Amino acid sequence: RKEVEQDPGPFNVPEGATVAFNCTYSNSASQSFFWYRQDCRKEPKLLMSVYSSGNEDGRFTAQLNRASQYISLLIRDSKLSDSATYLCVAEHRGSSASKIIFGSGTRLSIRP
Amino acid sequence: EAQVTQNPRYLITVTGKKLTVTCSQNMNHEYMSWYRQDPGLGLRQIYYSMNVEVTDKGDVPEGYKVSRKEKRNFPLILESPSPNQTSLYFCASSLVGTGSQPQHFGDGTRLSIL
Repeated sequence: RKEVEQDPGPFNVPEGATVAFNCTYSNSASQSFFWYRQDCRKEPKLLMSVYSSGNEDGRFTAQLNRASQYISLLIRDSKLSDSATYLCVAEHRGSSASKIIFGSGTRLSIRP
Repeated sequence: EAQVTQNPRYLITVTGKKLTVTCSQNMNHEYMSWYRQDPGLGLRQIYYSMNVEVTDKGDVPEGYKVSRKEKRNFPLILESPSPNQTSLYFCASSLVGTGSQPQHFGDGTRLSIL
């Protein structure tokens, strides 16, 4: 079983729709969580960090549920430019080590 | 401009011929990391380094070596490349761990081992 699991998609939704992605992680010691965005053939870029209290950045809302070990990302009023692969990331950090685990990504395609 | 620079961007080579992919960052980041990305498997961490002379294995270290003699450089070495190491490789850097800091990724290196 992968340490971070995501639905690979693809999700194909019309412009303006609301889209939700979920991600689960198996290592309960993971401390930090993030969503990255990766465009085709490009490097990943940080979209947002994820906190238990939930956090919002414009049309994007991220949520962490430690009890259930899942992370979510909600995109409201989706735009054509939101088409990309979204990567869920968990980090386990010790005093002298820091392992970062990426999910395999969820592909999103927004149609006009 | 703050950046992570990988070289080469593309390489086609043959089995067994040693190769090195260089990675350099100009942001004075302590943490550097190498990933490989394969279809359906996502990004998998190969090695990482918390600081100069401190390196550790990620999830898929077999067949790779790294070194961190200087803070800015973190080369990835394939001593005897094999076809199963054909992949897209990314180098990344950040302040220690990530915490609230983003990892900055290089543009990627596409390796084909024949």
